[in-house]
Amino acid sequence: DIVMTQSPSSLAVSAGETVTINCKSSQSLLSSGNQKNYLAWYQQKPGQSPKLLIYLASTRESGVPDRFIGSGSGTDFTLTISSVQAEDLADYYCQQHYSYPLTFGSGTKLEIK
Amino acid sequence: EVQLVESGGGLVKPGSSLKLSCVASGFTFSSYGMHWIRQAPKKGLEWIALIYYDSSNKYYADSVKGRFTISRDNSKNTLYLEMNSLRSEDTAMYYCAKFPSYWGQGTLVTVSS
Repeated sequence: DIVMTQSPSSLAVSAGETVTINCKSSQSLLSSGNQKNYLAWYQQKPGQSPKLLIYLASTRESGVPDRFIGSGSGTDFTLTISSVQAEDLADYYCQQHYSYPLTFGSGTKLEIK
Repeated sequence: EVQLVESGGGLVKPGSSLKLSCVASGFTFSSYGMHWIRQAPKKGLEWIALIYYDSSNKYYADSVKGRFTISRDNSKNTLYLEMNSLRSEDTAMYYCAKFPSYWGQGTLVTVSS
C-alpha cells in the first residue's frame, strides 16, 4: 500500500498569510504512460463532507479559488494557500489515486488566528 | 446537478449487520465506478471499497475485506454497502463518492453495546 505522510498536522495563521501543506508518498505517483501525477487535495470544513480542490497534483477543480495551488511531482507534493481567508478554516487531506487501495494523508487542521 | 444521498446508518451492537444505500442522481450512474469512504469520529479519511460501473470488479481495504460487500443496482441508480460482523472500530461516517469530485453528506454508523 502507498503510505501518504502529510505535514504539518495543524497550523494557525492570520488572514492574508500564505500557508504551505506538504504531502509525501512512499512510492512515486507519476505515471510513466502519461506523465501525470495521481495526487488530489481535499478540503473538509467542520460538519461537511470533503470537497475536491486539486487533482492530478496541480489541476484546480472548477470553482476553486486561484489562491489554492497544487504543485510537486513523483513523491513530494505541496498545497499552497495564498492570502488565507477566514473561510479557509478546515481540514486538508492529500490522497493518492495511483493505485488501490486509495490512501489519504492524515490531514492538516488549518486554524485562523 | 450531481447528488449522492446515503442512508441506512444507525446504532448497532458488535457482531451485527447493517446495509447502507446511496442513491445517485444528476449523472449516468451506470457509466461510473463508485466508492465508499469512511471517517471515524475526529479522525481522518479511509477509503474502503470500489465497484466498477458494471460490477465486474470490486476492491476492498484490508480492514473490511471479508466482512463488507459493495454492490450496485444500476436500474435503481443505487450503490450499497453490506456490512457484517461489525466492530466498534467500524464506527464512522460513511460516504459514497463518485471520485474524485462528488461526495454524499454521509450516514453515521455507530457500533456499540
